[in-house]
Amino acid sequence: EVQLVESGGGLVRPGGSLRLSCAVSGFTFTSNWMLWFRQAPGKGLDWVSLIDRDGTTTFYADSVKGRFTIARDNARNTLYLQLDSLRVDDTAVYYCAKDLNYGQSDSWGQGTLVTVSS
Amino acid sequence: QSALTQPRSVSGSPGQSVTISCSGTSSDVGGYNYVSWYQQYSGKAPKLMIYDVFRRPSGVPDRFSGSKSGNTAFLTISGLRAEDEADYYCSSYAGRENFVIFGGGTKLTVL
Repeated sequence: EVQLVESGGGLVRPGGSLRLSCAVSGFTFTSNWMLWFRQAPGKGLDWVSLIDRDGTTTFYADSVKGRFTIARDNARNTLYLQLDSLRVDDTAVYYCAKDLNYGQSDSWGQGTLVTVSS
Repeated sequence: QSALTQPRSVSGSPGQSVTISCSGTSSDVGGYNYVSWYQQYSGKAPKLMIYDVFRRPSGVPDRFSGSKSGNTAFLTISGLRAEDEADYYCSSYAGRENFVIFGGGTKLTVL
């Protein structure tokens, strides 16, 4: 059974940092590109970032470029998202997801809530 | 890149069919066959229902079907059931700069 389990969310002040983790199991982690999405409270889905199989190629949404960093540890079957210079409008549930192709995701984690507030 | 455009809400009675539209441009929906649809219940993670415009993942009922015409994609749900009541989001590949864009979501109400 494919499982993705996010952790690391919480309450942080504007300008602060957090590191999200996504532990995966049930599939060959190194065979898939991986993504992060987010959903602000009561709002729709937004793509955040994407990483290739060996971690050498990454893409970011304009809204997070230069502030967030995606990474993966294939030995630990874990995906990461480093969130720096956080802003109030980064408040959202962050989901990791397994890429099927071209950003279409066939497995999602349960999400972790990041709240940015003073 | 602007979000894809979906109706905010649709409704139908049990057994009926409903269609949700997803309008984009030639740079996203119209330019690639990488349109997907997700079902999301309140407080839960999205679930992939359709990918590559019309393909269904294993386990998704064939009551769910996808299509595309020009810059607009469609999700049709036939034989509506109470458990279909959820939010539905379309998404499309939009090139290497924006990669994935979403519609604003459509709330489906089963009357």
